[in-house]
Amino acid sequence: DAGVTQSPTHLIKTRGQQVTLRCSPKSGHDTVSWYQQALGQGPQFIFQYYEEEERQRGNFPDRFSGHQFPNYSSELNVNALLLGDSALYLCASSSLDRVAEAFFGQGTRLTVV
Amino acid sequence: GESVGLHLPTLSVQEGDNSIINCAYSNSASDYFIWYKQESGKGPQFIIDIRSNMDKRQGQRVTVLLNKTVKHLSLQIAATQPGDSAVYFCAGAKETSGSRLTFGEGTQLTVNP
Repeated sequence: DAGVTQSPTHLIKTRGQQVTLRCSPKSGHDTVSWYQQALGQGPQFIFQYYEEEERQRGNFPDRFSGHQFPNYSSELNVNALLLGDSALYLCASSSLDRVAEAFFGQGTRLTVV
Repeated sequence: GESVGLHLPTLSVQEGDNSIINCAYSNSASDYFIWYKQESGKGPQFIIDIRSNMDKRQGQRVTVLLNKTVKHLSLQIAATQPGDSAVYFCAGAKETSGSRLTFGEGTQLTVNP
């Protein structure tokens, strides 16, 4: 079992550009959540997808959007990138019968210059 | 809303000693609390969780204590090893929110040989 996989691991973008990050959940998991982790801080919840729909959303602007595919994989899109969007973006997968045990990927380190 | 914070940003212990990492939460909305370990360059790794109706839960070398009276929880690591060096986060979650986690800022644990 490969666990939660994210791609790419690192990328550099310019202000104003758009970025797409990808996540494949752990086998057997149907729920995917995305988090933003600034340096030296705890992860902040962005949104959660289940059955291809956004079920919950944190306090993030509409520039942050996502998608979940029928195979439960997910994408995070960020438009009009700002310097402050530089962070580690984490994907977590879980299943409804064990919601406390979310498994995280290694993250995508996004740098906006 | 729920907020979760930690008492100390850093903790340094000698190998073989027991470690205690503390966490406070602001209200009683969470149905359970989870401790995560995050090593450099990796995503958070699930350690142990505890439901809000419990006072104590033990795992392998770890014990989590929950004091609802003072809204405080702690993670005790027995016989701390160099491999335990990492940032530790506590997180709260509601049963109805699935794997939407509210993280604190983390404690950097350093184990000295």
